[in-house]
Amino acid sequence: NAGVTQTPKFQVLKTGQSMTLQCAQDMNHNSMYWYRQDPGMGLRLIYYSASEGTTDKGEVPNGYNVSRLNKREFSLRLESAAPSQTSVYFCASSEAGWVFYGYTFGSGTRLTVV
Amino acid sequence: DQQVKQNSPSLSVQEGRISILNCDYTNSMFDYFLWYKKYPAEGPTFLISISSIKDKNEDGRFTVFLNKSAKHLSLHIVPSQPGDSAVYFCAASAGAAGNKLTFGGGTRVLVKP
Repeated sequence: NAGVTQTPKFQVLKTGQSMTLQCAQDMNHNSMYWYRQDPGMGLRLIYYSASEGTTDKGEVPNGYNVSRLNKREFSLRLESAAPSQTSVYFCASSEAGWVFYGYTFGSGTRLTVV
Repeated sequence: DQQVKQNSPSLSVQEGRISILNCDYTNSMFDYFLWYKKYPAEGPTFLISISSIKDKNEDGRFTVFLNKSAKHLSLHIVPSQPGDSAVYFCAASAGAAGNKLTFGGGTRVLVKP
């Protein structure tokens, strides 16, 4: 029972490089999310996908793109990484009634942009 | 403009005593509130939630209180245990169907043996 799996766990990028963060869930959840965590800022929503085939911007979408590849997978792409994107990235998923038992989060990807 | 604020970045408490974590919000459209716990190098895990139609919800050692008029909620942990040492996030949502969670900045709790 893996839940939400994120890859990679760690990554160092040079400014201007691109990369894709992968996320997959095996709980048959409809909704998926990407958050970033920065000190003192809590978790801020980057993009979300309410259901397969839909994606919407969250609070801090600039510099990112997403793809909901299928019901299981939701990827986050940095086209041209900047030092301001150094953060810990969390993917999450949820199903109907989630307010009573919350989102399920992955263990995170720690990204450093130098 | 943070809609959910946790004004205490850290809290230290003795084992066996009560931990009280506070959270304030500004958006009157929020109607569900959740608390998450996070250990280092792990993702947040859900603790407890409360709907705006209630003022209290209890689950074992964890109780969440909601004061809608003050736009304030709190999490009480009684008794505190060393395993409770973690970062706690308050989160809020405007609507249960397909809406997003807005998180506070977190409070780091240290429970001393």
